Amino acid sequence: AQSVSQHNHHVILSEAASLELGCNYSYGGTVNLFWYVQYPGQHLQLLLKYFSGDPLVKGIKGFEAEFIKSKFSFNLRKPSVQWSDTAEYFCAPNTNAGKSTFGDGTTLTVKP
Amino acid sequence: GAVVSQHPSWVICKSGTSVKIECRSLDFQATTMFWYRQFPKQSLMLMATSNEGSKATYEQGVEKDKFLINHASLTLSTLTVTSAHPEDSSFYICSARDRGQNTEAFFGQGTRLTVV
Repeated sequence: AQSVSQHNHHVILSEAASLELGCNYSYGGTVNLFWYVQYPGQHLQLLLKYFSGDPLVKGIKGFEAEFIKSKFSFNLRKPSVQWSDTAEYFCAPNTNAGKSTFGDGTTLTVKP
Repeated sequence: GAVVSQHPSWVICKSGTSVKIECRSLDFQATTMFWYRQFPKQSLMLMATSNEGSKATYEQGVEKDKFLINHASLTLSTLTVTSAHPEDSSFYICSARDRGQNTEAFFGQGTRLTVV
C-alpha cells in the first residue's frame, strides 16, 4: 500500500528564515510526487511536481523540492519565507493512475 | 488548460436532505475522477474512484449507499450525499485525470458542505 509521512506537523518561522519540510513515501511502483499548498480558507494549489529527470524541481513562489530516490524522500525547501507563505502544505505522491495519497500536512506559520 | 470545476463552491442543507456536487473537466476528457473529503484541520482522504461508464470504487469505510457517485460522461462526475447529517459536514474535493496522459490528476476548488 502507498503511504506518505510528513515529519513536521507545525512549523513556526520568522520572515526570511529558511524552510525545509520533510516528506517520505513508500510505494513499490513508479510514483509521481507533488507538493500542494492550501492557504487559509482556500482550495488546493499545486506548488511543484516531479515525474522524472532532474531530481531538483522548482515550483512557484520560490519553492523547490529534491527527490532522493534512495531515501524515498521529496523534501520541500524555500531559502527565505515570507509572511504570505503561512499555509498548510501537503506532500502527495500519486500513482500513474492519478490516485493521490496525501500526507497529514504541515502547518507553516511565518511571523512578520 | 487542465481546469477542473466543482459546483457548488459551498452549500448549506438541512439534516435528512440530499445534496449533489458536480465535478467537471472543462478542457479535457477524464476517464477517471477521484473524490476526496477533508475535515477541518485534517488532510484529504480519498473516498472513491469514479470511472466513466462503470461503477465507482469506494475506499474502505466509505458507505457507497450514502455517497452516490455517477460518472456518466467523460467530463462530468457527480457525488450525491444522501440523507445528510451534521457529521457529513466537510470539504469535498474532486480531481480528474486526463485520458490523454497518465501522470497527473487536476484538482477542483472544492465544495464546502454544511449540514444543519
